[in-house]
Amino acid sequence: SQQGEEDPQALSIQEGENATMNCSYKTSINNLQWYRQNSGRGLVHLILIRSNEREKHSGRLRVTLDTSKKSSSLLITASRAADTASYFCATDTTGNQFYFGTGTSLTVIP
Amino acid sequence: DAGITQSPRYKITETGRQVTLMCHQTWSHSYMFWYRQDLGHGLRLIYYSAAADITDKGEVPDGYVVSRSKTENFPLTLESATRSQTSVYFCATFGGRGYEQYFGPGTRLTVT
Repeated sequence: SQQGEEDPQALSIQEGENATMNCSYKTSINNLQWYRQNSGRGLVHLILIRSNEREKHSGRLRVTLDTSKKSSSLLITASRAADTASYFCATDTTGNQFYFGTGTSLTVIP
Repeated sequence: DAGITQSPRYKITETGRQVTLMCHQTWSHSYMFWYRQDLGHGLRLIYYSAAADITDKGEVPDGYVVSRSKTENFPLTLESATRSQTSVYFCATFGGRGYEQYFGPGTRLTVT
């Protein structure tokens, strides 16, 4: 069974709005990462948050982590059409194995 | 060019045939991974390797074989392809500082 599950499965917003997607996982982790995948391409790393961190920022990205609830959220502010992609969370458990969720498909309408 | 490459990018094969997907990296990263991506399942880990000659099973290893005789190469072999192995396969390396993975462009495999 997979470690991470994203919610919602699909999200459609207008350009300029904020997009929030969530990830829940099942067991303790070393860190949690978010990746983006454009259609037909490989995944690209966006941001990493360690298990002892609660919030992290990178440009228009804000990630939070709540280890007590085993959940994380990714916020993309002031979205752009170029942000249209699928977003995946990946959890790093001990042993350097990474478990990916099923992803959130984000569509940003110009 | 530096980076991670996969070949072939597209492959159509018949049930029962052996197929090998290639993965090559130029960074000398220790860890390499093979994932498959299917609708509704996200990415699932097939096998991974911590170094040359060290490999281990992931979440869905059945029907696959890997080897890693050199740090830069990590081929994935389907010994007797089945239709359920139709998927997009991604190879990835595990970077150093920052602990992020770097993904190849993927191989779309269709088993008829």
